[in-house]
Amino acid sequence: GQQLNQSPQSMFIQEGEDVSMNCTSSSIFNTWLWYKQDPGEGPVLLIALYKAGELTSNGRLTAQFGITRKDSFLNISASIPSDVGIYFCAGQDQTGANNLFFGTGTRLTVIP
Amino acid sequence: DTEVTQTPKHLVMGMTNKKSLKCEQHMGHRAMYWYKQKAKKPPELMFVYSYEKLSINESVPSRFSPECPNSSLLNLHLHALQPEDSALYLCASSRTGGLVEAFFGQGTRLTVV
Repeated sequence: GQQLNQSPQSMFIQEGEDVSMNCTSSSIFNTWLWYKQDPGEGPVLLIALYKAGELTSNGRLTAQFGITRKDSFLNISASIPSDVGIYFCAGQDQTGANNLFFGTGTRLTVIP
Repeated sequence: DTEVTQTPKHLVMGMTNKKSLKCEQHMGHRAMYWYKQKAKKPPELMFVYSYEKLSINESVPSRFSPECPNSSLLNLHLHALQPEDSALYLCASSRTGGLVEAFFGQGTRLTVV
């Protein structure tokens, strides 16, 4: 499968701070998705991106599809305690098949 | 309704047992997926079904056998598993044709003893 690298691996932030994380791949992707996963639960879809350069928001979350189509970024503004969890990027490559590969994840801890 | 339902939620099985995991969705999605997730790791793609046909098998051992009996159901048959197969097994579904906003179930926590 495809390798997607996320950074940072983990983050500890104060409540109210903004958060940025990114995801990079070695090959071009057609679609980038961002998910949040709580312990013992399935991933929950946050944002979907389909075009290079696309910038999409969902409440306090904003994500961008990189111009090179090999990266994506997620920002969370004014973090709150319930933002705690693991954030995964996921991407579909150029084969056109319904594959979906996940990044290595960013573990977010919000300190009240 | 963006619900994907997986049963059972937890499963403990011996290495000689045969068991099945079940997944159901009613969103009209024609692509369905099985993922395996070990602790503190990302989900790993196992199988993809598109229009009830197996389209991707990510070199998964034959002790895992997927089945898609109709467009709403996806099964994963398990036989002669090893303790290292213990993991969270996730099912997902999406539309086809490049629109892969995949929605996940809550997973089945499998323990092989």
